[in-house]
Amino acid sequence: AQSVTQLGSHVSVSEGALVLLRCNYSSSVPPYLFWYVQYPNQGLQLLLKYTSAATLVKGINGFEAEFKKSETSFHLTKPSAHMSDAAEYFCAVSPYNNNDMRFGAGTRLTVKP
Amino acid sequence: KAGVTQTPRYLIKTRGQQVTLSCSPISGHRSVSWYQQTPGQGLQFLFEYFSETQRNKGNFPGRFSGRQFSNSRSEMNVSTLELGDSALYLCASSLGGGAPQETQYFGPGTRLLVL
Repeated sequence: AQSVTQLGSHVSVSEGALVLLRCNYSSSVPPYLFWYVQYPNQGLQLLLKYTSAATLVKGINGFEAEFKKSETSFHLTKPSAHMSDAAEYFCAVSPYNNNDMRFGAGTRLTVKP
Repeated sequence: KAGVTQTPRYLIKTRGQQVTLSCSPISGHRSVSWYQQTPGQGLQFLFEYFSETQRNKGNFPGRFSGRQFSNSRSEMNVSTLELGDSALYLCASSLGGGAPQETQYFGPGTRLLVL
């Protein structure tokens, strides 16, 4: 079964520093991968998704992620963290033929002033 | 376009009671999926409805059920509530074509507390 693993339940960075949130997937077929962000007391908002069109995917709010098949990774990055980026981030994989999206455990990002 | 709306936003129930949660998808979206989010288990898929039919189902007991109406609005019902059912219940809608890369748009969730 397809699944994702997020390395690090908590990540803390200083404002202006690089943000790197790690996600590895396990899939026997080419996966469809997503990154979502959840702010306190809110639902999930799509940041970006990989659908095999391009390995480097650009999303909203300056985030991007690179699909690396050799490393089975889809890490999320942002060159310069902003205080407003503090939230929980979820990596997810969608199976080939249905809407049963599988989420990682989440990574809580803290941004220090 | 209005986003996904869920009602109520907060709910307190006692063990043994039942509860019904409602979700209105984005206009034009025909698929509605439900997820349970808890600190211990994370986000877990409950079920998906498309054209008033359950198309996919996660690994939850039969106490969890749902339905979809002709206008694509969906309800989720949990009977005989247990303490462990306390969670944030998220609804997501999508166009419903069935493609796995189809984006799901999430509502703000209903936070259920079972006492």
